[in-house]
Amino acid sequence: DGGITQSPKYLFRKEGQNVTLSCEQNLNHDAMYWYRQDPGQGLRLIYYSQIVNDFQKGDIAEGYSVSREKKESFPLTVTSAQKNPTAFYLCASSPGPFNQPQHFGDGTRLSIL
Amino acid sequence: QKEVEQNSGPLSVPEGAIASLNCTYSDRGSQSFFWYRQYSGKSPELIMFIYSNGDKEDGRFTAQLNKASQYVSLLIRDSQPSDSATYLCAVNSDRAQGAQKLVFGQGTRLTINP
Repeated sequence: DGGITQSPKYLFRKEGQNVTLSCEQNLNHDAMYWYRQDPGQGLRLIYYSQIVNDFQKGDIAEGYSVSREKKESFPLTVTSAQKNPTAFYLCASSPGPFNQPQHFGDGTRLSIL
Repeated sequence: QKEVEQNSGPLSVPEGAIASLNCTYSDRGSQSFFWYRQYSGKSPELIMFIYSNGDKEDGRFTAQLNKASQYVSLLIRDSQPSDSATYLCAVNSDRAQGAQKLVFGQGTRLTINP
């Protein structure tokens, strides 16, 4: 089945630790995105990528890093510099052209130990 | 700062009635508009998108766009208990080609009462 797969579903981070969230898509979409959602809030854009080997900062990129070495993969690293990482992280993709809708994976819940 | 505003609710509607969800946006140059449904603990699911002024219908859902008033709405006819969810409005005002930079509202929580 075509779709967007995020793993793990739940993740716990210790103080001072970097953690990496996986996002893989088999939709052949050019563009991929990472969002963060806090309880009772809308989504905020962390990073996005239009093509392989290129990515741009979103509105809240501090404390996060990404890579886009393959079209189908866009992993997000939450670094120790992100002081409030507890949130629901959502990966999305779109075909690329400006107006095409984004579709989301099932998300990863990150908590602090 | 580009903003998208929604009434957080909760909005309570009797089963079978029309639910009306509203969204306003600050960037007059915005070009595409999306409605997502999000069940508690789940990821957002695309319901509708609209690019031009007027109405767009898909089954029980109608999206309405008024660019002059910077207002987009979602109507749900014959509301069902399964429509109970949070509805997120998202607006793309980035004119660059390729990826979109969506700005989301905080969502409206809708409850359909049997």
